[in-house]
Amino acid sequence: EAQVTQNPRYLITVTGKKLTVTCSQNMNHEYMSWYRQDPGLGLRQIYYSMNVEVTDKGDVPEGYKVSRKEKRNFPLILESPSPNQTSLYFCASSDKGKDTEAFFGQGTRLTVV
Amino acid sequence: GESVGLHLPTLSVQEGDNSIINCAYSNSASDYFIWYKQESGKGPQFIIDIRSNMDKRQGQRVTVLLNKTVKHLSLQIAATQPGDSAVYFCAENRGGYNKLIFGAGTRLAVHP
Repeated sequence: EAQVTQNPRYLITVTGKKLTVTCSQNMNHEYMSWYRQDPGLGLRQIYYSMNVEVTDKGDVPEGYKVSRKEKRNFPLILESPSPNQTSLYFCASSDKGKDTEAFFGQGTRLTVV
Repeated sequence: GESVGLHLPTLSVQEGDNSIINCAYSNSASDYFIWYKQESGKGPQFIIDIRSNMDKRQGQRVTVLLNKTVKHLSLQIAATQPGDSAVYFCAENRGGYNKLIFGAGTRLAVHP
């Protein structure tokens, strides 16, 4: 089954404790991205990657890092989480090409206390 | 359930009625648009897309209309069913590889 898998689904952590949210896709997609979703704001892109070792900032990259060492994986790293990073996070992947639909993971609910 | 829909505009319809969800986009250079459906506890799911060289596209029970003059997009759902209850997002591609900009979303509530 074609899917984007995120882990964990739920995470509660404390301010300053580094964490990683994993994302993996099995569709051999070249393009992957991370979004955060907050009430009333829709989804905002954090980082994206057009291929292995190629990453770039989205609209809200501050406080986040990513890496793309393999085509299928695109982890999101929070080096020093803060309460304003409490949000619902989605990973997405899409095929090469300009106008192709993005497939989303199930989401990770992160709470930073 | 998730709290992302707490502050969203809500469209309430009776089961069997047609629903129209509207979206205004801001960038006249956007040339590709997608509607996504998000059910509680799930990620956004693709419904239908349209390119800027079209003004209408139909799928199964859904139709998307694009009015480039006023930068407006709408999603029409025919014979709305309880399973259509969800938050609906429009997204525009402002160029480049799938640089999607999402709207804030509209909650659709279907009543029996």
